[in-house]
Amino acid sequence: SYELTQAPSVSVSPGQSASITCSGDKLGDKYVSWYQQKPGQSPVVLIYQSTRRPSGIPQRFSGSKSGNTATLTISGTQAMDEADYYCQAWDSNTAVFGGGTKLTVL
Amino acid sequence: EVQLVQSGAEVKKPGESLRISCKASGYTFTRYWIAWVRQMPGKGLEWMGIIDPIDSDTRYSPSFQGQVIISADESSNTAYLQWSGLRASDTAMYYCARHVYDTSNFDFWGQGTLVTVSS
Repeated sequence: SYELTQAPSVSVSPGQSASITCSGDKLGDKYVSWYQQKPGQSPVVLIYQSTRRPSGIPQRFSGSKSGNTATLTISGTQAMDEADYYCQAWDSNTAVFGGGTKLTVL
Repeated sequence: EVQLVQSGAEVKKPGESLRISCKASGYTFTRYWIAWVRQMPGKGLEWMGIIDPIDSDTRYSPSFQGQVIISADESSNTAYLQWSGLRASDTAMYYCARHVYDTSNFDFWGQGTLVTVSS
């Protein structure tokens, strides 16, 4: 079955940029979405179609892709950005989520 | 305003049956697929399956095929997730989410239904 790989944790200092990566076989040929989940809350989509940001999502969140790795970048990270982040793609009519990355802002 | 409102928390015993619901409002129910996502305690998101409410075309993750049934009722704008024989390992939070075909993402999520299976 298809897998998306994310680092379990990333740490960043307030005001710095954080990069969260997601890799998978032939991911370069797929659209990637990114979701943020804070404790006790439902996930929220941050990025779709690899690079597009829904209305209402702050501009400090951006998505990119190079080869088979997608990256979520948070510029000027704030304390409120501490959360779990998941990438997601489709493979053979099945949605797949990455294992998630816990972002710590310290 | 688009909303997906899920049914309340459930506590069940192993072997019991259960159906949880996800009621959609604020949009045309039949224009978007509805997915179900499992999150076990302290773990990540797992996609279970998806249904097209217009014709109940349903697709399941191989991990959940045969373990659950996803259905939808167009007349009540509600999607369902059901089990016929719960196990302790089904203890989890379950989310429904609206899928946008054109942009290939889940744009609205329900608040989640916590299912606890314990003897």
